[in-house]
Amino acid sequence: QKEVEQNSGPLSVPEGAIASLNCTYSDRGSQSFFWYRQYSGKSPELIMSIYSNGDKEDGRFTAQLNKASQYVSLLIRDSQPSDSATYLCAVVISNFGNEKLTFGTGTRLTIIP
Amino acid sequence: DAGVTQSPTHLIKTRGQHVTLRCSPISGHKSVSWYQQVLGQGPQFIFQYYEKEERGRGNFPDRFSARQFPNYSSELNVNALLLGDSALYLCASSWEGQRGAWEDEQYFGPGTRLTVT
Repeated sequence: QKEVEQNSGPLSVPEGAIASLNCTYSDRGSQSFFWYRQYSGKSPELIMSIYSNGDKEDGRFTAQLNKASQYVSLLIRDSQPSDSATYLCAVVISNFGNEKLTFGTGTRLTIIP
Repeated sequence: DAGVTQSPTHLIKTRGQHVTLRCSPISGHKSVSWYQQVLGQGPQFIFQYYEKEERGRGNFPDRFSARQFPNYSSELNVNALLLGDSALYLCASSWEGQRGAWEDEQYFGPGTRLTVT
């Protein structure tokens, strides 16, 4: 089992619709979760962090965390063509006492005008 | 405010050579982490440094080494380059806040694209 798993996509969503991106993780003790956006040829850009169960909203973005199900998601409302990018889920994973920020392979999102 | 800076932007090296990549963190950030990202994958953790001390190391061979300087800038060194070392090398900085080394948000620099031929 991968430590952080995401569907690689591509995920295609019409402009103006809600894009839903999902991520599962293996370490039940993880406490810190992050979503990054990465445009082709660029470095990852932090969108949001989430540490507590429930929802966290920032503009058009909502992160959702369910630690019992080991599941974190990102919703993008009113999707715009500029949202087309790869979205990376990152989780602080502990492995034999050694912690590290572990990334999924990313979900490629395409917003269709 | 200036973000994380990295140099050089691009680099082409031959197998067996040595390379040094440099990173300057966001002002006020004391922690620097290095990641390797190959095409189609997420970034893979290499090292984390805080206050000039190594805080963590990923699953990379001893050919990879790093250090942090008193001004919190950092260098990543790779010896005996292999073709498989071709990747985007990312540096990220974070503020050592109440949550601790691994819990704070990390901000990435633009990366150094290394090509080994």
